[in-house]
Amino acid sequence: DAGVTQSPTHLIKTRGQQVTLRCSPKSGHDTVSWYQQALGQGPQFIFQYYEEEERQRGNFPDRFSGHQFPNYSSELNVNALLLGDSALYLCASSLDVYNEQFFGPGTRLTVL
Amino acid sequence: DQQVKQNSPSLSVQEGRISILNCDYTNSMFDYFLWYKKYPAEGPTFLISISSIKDKNEDGRFTVFLNKSAKHLSLHIVPSQPGDSAVYFCAASRVWNAGGTSYGKLTFGQGTILTVHP
Repeated sequence: DAGVTQSPTHLIKTRGQQVTLRCSPKSGHDTVSWYQQALGQGPQFIFQYYEEEERQRGNFPDRFSGHQFPNYSSELNVNALLLGDSALYLCASSLDVYNEQFFGPGTRLTVL
Repeated sequence: DQQVKQNSPSLSVQEGRISILNCDYTNSMFDYFLWYKKYPAEGPTFLISISSIKDKNEDGRFTVFLNKSAKHLSLHIVPSQPGDSAVYFCAASRVWNAGGTSYGKLTFGQGTILTVHP
């Protein structure tokens, strides 16, 4: 049983560009959450998707947007990249909000 | 506003001894607490959790204690092993319902780097 997978593993972009990160949840999971982890910090909640809709959102600007597909996989899009967007982006899946979240290995984004 | 705090950035322990990792929270609405372990280049891995209605949960070498009045939880690892060396994150969750929809998210602490020496 494959766990949570994310692609790509690493990404280098320049300021002002746009980026799309992808996540496939653990089999049987219907809820996908995205987190940003800056160096030396804990993961910070970006948003959560359930039934192809954004269910809740953390304190991130509208430059951060997402999507969930019918197969529960998800994308995170970041527009107009800033240097401060450099971080590890983690995807986590769960079976609704009542259960433990399982994390993928993350995508390391570097903005130059 | 850091609602979940891990005040010790690092902890060094001898193999075979007890490791105690601490976590404090400020939001009394949190009703579920979790510990995750993270190795470099990997995502956080769920370790153990505790509901706010309990004060202790045990799983093998790992025990989590919750003191609701102090808004404090701790993770005990006994005995510690070199393979336990990793970053440990405390996380808190609150699930609520509105308009027939359930909401919940994890709020993480900053993490504690545990090093277990052979």
